[in-house]
Amino acid sequence: DAMVIQNPRYQVTQFGKPVTLSCSQTLNHNVMYWYQQKSSQAPKLLFHYYDKDFNNEADTPDNFQSRRPNTSFCFLDIRSPGLGDTAMYLCATSREKGGPSESYEQYFGPGTRLTVT
Amino acid sequence: SQKIEQNSEALNIQEGKTATLTCNYTNYSPAYLQWYRQDPGRGPVFLLLIRENEKEKRKERLKVTFDTTLKQSLFHVTASQPADSATYLCAFPPGGKLIFGQGTELSVKP
Repeated sequence: DAMVIQNPRYQVTQFGKPVTLSCSQTLNHNVMYWYQQKSSQAPKLLFHYYDKDFNNEADTPDNFQSRRPNTSFCFLDIRSPGLGDTAMYLCATSREKGGPSESYEQYFGPGTRLTVT
Repeated sequence: SQKIEQNSEALNIQEGKTATLTCNYTNYSPAYLQWYRQDPGRGPVFLLLIRENEKEKRKERLKVTFDTTLKQSLFHVTASQPADSATYLCAFPPGGKLIFGQGTELSVKP
């Protein structure tokens, strides 16, 4: 089945120790997104790629970086995690980039639960 | 700035009843809204999309309405079942990206 896969599902890292989360997709979608979701909160978009075009959200901390080496894979790098970065990190894809009048549903992976100690 | 708000209080209902969840938005007039379901520890799953020119959309036991005057979308689960227990998120697209509400947790008791 076509799907979005995230690894690892659970990650514990120490304060200040770099960590990388990975996402892969078999849907062949053009757009890949990274969201941060804290407990009982809305998913918050960090950045997205439309093909190789990287789009950062204005309020995403510089500590968060992303790479998309090919269509199928996307990585989230947290250079110096703080305690406040403990959250679920969700990767999602969509076939195309939606506009104000066009909509494309997003397909989410199961998430990586990151704990910073 | 654009805001989307859902009732943060959990909704507890009896099996077989209809659950109604509310999504309100401000400072924007979206051309569409999307609804997702999220189970604990999992990613959201797309359920329905409704456009501004559609008053109502149905999918099996789910029904969504969109009132552009009230700036509100209602999400109904009819003949609810315990398996419908989850958090339901609404989302709308200012500038083409999705902004999600914080979700409403629905609990259906047998």
